[in-house]
Amino acid sequence: EAGVVQSPRYKIIEKKQPVAFWCNPISGHNTLYWYRQNLGQGPELLIRYENEEAVDDSQLPKDRFSAERLKGVDSTLKIQPAELGDSAVYLCASSLDMGVVNEQYFGPGTRLTVT
Amino acid sequence: GQNIDQPTEMTATEGAIVQINCTYQTSGFNGLFWYQQHAGEAPTFLSYNVLDGLEEKGRFSSFLSRSKGYSYLLLKELQMKDSASYLCAVQDSNYQLIWGAGTKLIIKP
Repeated sequence: EAGVVQSPRYKIIEKKQPVAFWCNPISGHNTLYWYRQNLGQGPELLIRYENEEAVDDSQLPKDRFSAERLKGVDSTLKIQPAELGDSAVYLCASSLDMGVVNEQYFGPGTRLTVT
Repeated sequence: GQNIDQPTEMTATEGAIVQINCTYQTSGFNGLFWYQQHAGEAPTFLSYNVLDGLEEKGRFSSFLSRSKGYSYLLLKELQMKDSASYLCAVQDSNYQLIWGAGTKLIIKP
């Protein structure tokens, strides 16, 4: 069974440019997460989806970040315009549902460098 | 506020035993997870505790005391491949994972 797929793996852009990340969760997983992880820190939740509904986006900087999960499967996270402080690894994770044991499976991440 | 504390870095010797501690203060508790993250890779699930006590899984064991807000991950017979960061995460009352900053474990021959 395929794991969580993310693309691209690496992205280098200049500040003020737009960037988009794509995630395909494990088949059958209803819950999808986007995290940002800086070096030496734990993942920081940006947004959580239950099927196609965003149920927690309180940490998403909505002035420049947007996300969508059409049809409740694939998801895209966009930054426009990017700032230097957005340099980080963006992780996508999925889980079956918000049940008791909420084991999350992570994709390999996208390492974003903003210059 | 919600807070997860774990040591920033630990060093241990190949073949030895190491214990990584995690203390937490969260809004509600629905379980504690340990994840392993090798440099440049995604976190992978190691263990889950929701009841007090010790859960053993091969060379790795995880302990939980809910009354003390405390957990530890015990790694036995350390191997060089165990060099990684170990992340403690607590599932709060909304089933959201609150993550610690991770403990970087360095294994020396």
